[in-house]
Amino acid sequence: GDSVTQMEGPVTLSEEAFLTINCTYTATGYPSLFWYVQYPGEGLQLLLKATKADDKGSNKGFEATYRKETTSFHLEKGSVQVSDSAVYFCAQNKAAGNKLTFGGGTRVLVKP
Amino acid sequence: DAMVIQNPRYQVTQFGKPVTLSCSQTLNHNVMYWYQQKSSQAPKLLFHYYDKDFNNEADTPDNFQSRRPNTSFCFLDIRSPGLGDAAMYLCATSRLGAGQGATASYEQYFGPGTRLTVT
Repeated sequence: GDSVTQMEGPVTLSEEAFLTINCTYTATGYPSLFWYVQYPGEGLQLLLKATKADDKGSNKGFEATYRKETTSFHLEKGSVQVSDSAVYFCAQNKAAGNKLTFGGGTRVLVKP
Repeated sequence: DAMVIQNPRYQVTQFGKPVTLSCSQTLNHNVMYWYQQKSSQAPKLLFHYYDKDFNNEADTPDNFQSRRPNTSFCFLDIRSPGLGDAAMYLCATSRLGAGQGATASYEQYFGPGTRLTVT
């Protein structure tokens, strides 16, 4: 069945460090891919998305590229801030039913 | 500005005492979802409505029910909460093209969640 696998955390970084969170997916067909972010005590917010191969999603300095050949959608940010401390979820869906399949989440802690 | 609103943000109920969580949206989306999330795990889909069409996940316990009286509102009813039902409950909405052949894929918009405590 469809699934999403992302690197386990926690990931601890210093401010201004480079962040990468790996995400790979298995799916039949061509899903859309998403990164959601969850700050402590809050709901999920859409961070970025890509709907087809080679699309690059970007927002707030974060980027991810839909790689069909490696079935990956890795999240990157060049210089993290303390305010980026959160849990990040990679997810996929398909048009039919529009149901999301989430990865397990990666907690990121940025220290000053 | 709030698009998906959940009330209350924190709910305490007693073991076995029915509880209702509410969700409303200002986006006029035709699909509404309820998720359960424990301890920063991935959200687990309980059920969703496509307009008035209710879709239950196969592993959602019968203890969980839902109502959608109109486009804007959706309720989650837990008939007899157990200690294991303590969690964050997230409501989400999305658009969806008409019919099973829809090819567009739309993101889901989440509310802030209701944290349920069972004593």
